[in-house]
Amino acid sequence: SQQGEEDPQALSIQEGENATMNCSYKTSINNLQWYRQNSGRGLVHLILIRSNEREKHSGRLRVTLDTSKKSSSLLITASRAADTASYFCATVPGGSYIPTFGRGTSLIVHP
Amino acid sequence: SQTIHQWPATLVQPVGSPLSLECTVEGTSNPNLYWYRQAAGRGLQLLFYSVGIGQISSEVPQNLSASRPQDRQFILSSKKLLLSDSGFYLCAWSVFGGSTDTQYFGPGTRLTVL
Repeated sequence: SQQGEEDPQALSIQEGENATMNCSYKTSINNLQWYRQNSGRGLVHLILIRSNEREKHSGRLRVTLDTSKKSSSLLITASRAADTASYFCATVPGGSYIPTFGRGTSLIVHP
Repeated sequence: SQTIHQWPATLVQPVGSPLSLECTVEGTSNPNLYWYRQAAGRGLQLLFYSVGIGQISSEVPQNLSASRPQDRQFILSSKKLLLSDSGFYLCAWSVFGGSTDTQYFGPGTRLTVL
């Protein structure tokens, strides 16, 4: 089944640095979404990028999508300790409305 | 605005005991509803989804079941829990027929089966 896979599985950086996470998937998609999960909490939707879009921005977040490579990246600029969380990509295959989630990237930002 | 509630927040149950987790959504009508399970350090596994009252689709065979007795109420149940049922259970909703498929998650229930 369609599944996004994040890379790296874990990322540890210092406050102020940029954090980049990648997501790869296997088949054509309708859209790709990024979610954030703080430890022991539910997921929170961050940003959605449609298959006909190449880049989107939201505050300190920048998402790119390369449908030819079936990959997406999430960049968090000027990271803060409060950005510490797990980040998941979710892909929605064409003709479906149900996202499939990857295993996530665990980001730790050291103050 | 829309809100989603789940309870209980944590639950410790013995093997073989029954289970009932409840999820309710406020502020929207006819939502799509979902139950996910998340094992430690793993991604989300879709268990059930529903597009309307009494309409339940199961994604994986298991000893769990789901029901939707009301438009904005989604219940996850089991008659006899297994050790492997331990995990973090998340309920989510999305707009029926929406153009973005964005999902909105509840706070989750941590289930430990001993």
